[in-house]
Formats: sequence, C-alpha cells, structure tokens
Amino acid sequence: NAGVTQTPKFQVLKTGQSMTLQCAQDMNHEYMSWYRQDPGMGLRLIHYSVGAGITDQGEVPNGYNVSRSTTEDFPLRLLSAAPSQTSVYFCASSNPAGGLNEQFFGPGTRLTVL
Amino acid sequence: AQKITQTQPGMFVQEKEAVTLDCTYDTSDPSYGLFWYKQPSSGEMIFLIYQGSYDQQNATEGRYSLNFQKARKSANLVISASQLGDSAMYFCAMRAINFGNEKLTFGTGTRLTIIP
Repeated sequence: NAGVTQTPKFQVLKTGQSMTLQCAQDMNHEYMSWYRQDPGMGLRLIHYSVGAGITDQGEVPNGYNVSRSTTEDFPLRLLSAAPSQTSVYFCASSNPAGGLNEQFFGPGTRLTVL
Repeated sequence: AQKITQTQPGMFVQEKEAVTLDCTYDTSDPSYGLFWYKQPSSGEMIFLIYQGSYDQQNATEGRYSLNFQKARKSANLVISASQLGDSAMYFCAMRAINFGNEKLTFGTGTRLTIIP
C-alpha cells in the first residue's frame, strides 16, 4: 500500500495562475480531506468529502475548488492563485466505518505564490 | 465550535527525561475524540495516540501516554524517557464523534527540542 500520495511536492506559482494539487489513496477510504498549514496556525480544514460525488466546505474554503469522482482521488484546485495561498497543503483520508480513529496524511505539497 | 489550545510554543528537554505537552480543549459536543500528531522536520504528520471522551482509561502507546482530565478539559501528551528523535512539532487535535464526521480541529502546536 502506498497510503496517501500527493503531487507535486513543491510548486511555485505566479499570482493569478491556476493549478491542481493531486491526492490519491489506495486504502479504499471513504473520507478524504484537504488541510493547509501556515506558521503559527496549525492545520485548517479547506474541503472534505465523505464519499465519491459528495464534497463540502471546511473552515477556509475560499479560493479552492474540489471534486470527488472516484473513491481514490480528491484533487484540490486553485482557480486564481493569490500570495495568501502560500502554504503547505496536506491531504488526509480515513475510514469512519472501519473502527480506526487515525486519519492518514499525505506527505504534503509546499506551495509558494509570488 | 471546537477549539484546541496549546500554550507552549516551544520546549527544551534533556534527553531521557519525561516531557509533558499541554493541550486544553473546548467543545459543546457530548462525544468527542482527542488526537496527538507528531511532525518531524521532514514535514509528514505522524499519528501518535487517540483518546475517546468516554474511554475509562487513559490511552497509552509505547512511550506515549495521554493524561486525560475531562473535567479540566485537558488532554496532555506525556512522553517518557525522551529520545533525540522525539524532537519535532507536536499537534493536539479533536473531532466530534458522530456518524461520518472526521473533521479535525488542530491546535497551533508545540515545538519540542531534545537536548543531548
């Protein structure tokens, strides 16, 4: 099992550019989510999905778009990047029905917006 | 709404000593779970330990234990016999326990440095 994978590891964008951060998991988890980590602020939830075809907003959704067409993949789209979106992005997955309490995190994507 | 407070931005501890990382929380949910994650300098998030609000016993996982005091709304992480590899950021987190909810609320973290 690869667990949760994220690509790319690093990305530099110019203001106004768009891009998609990829996230995939091979554990057949129903729940997937995106967090951003900023210095001194811990991790904050951007968007989440409880299953294919179902997504919802987290604490800081503005400027981001998600979709979930398969159980495995949960991409995060930045429509028009802004310097305020410079952050480290983590994807996570879990199986609420599986009885385990752990959320599995990907290795993160470090994004810089100039 | 849920809130996690970690009041220690940084700690320095001598190797082999025990260390306690503080975490207090606030929630109106009757049932909830508390988590600790470790983030080494390499950046990944490593799950350490979980405590359910209705668990009778404090959780333990190897050298990690969670000192859960429900009335005080605290969930401190205790690391026994600290090692150099314990140097990292540590995050306390919580979520409400209801069907399908996996949303985590994180604290701001504590940077732990183990001194040889």
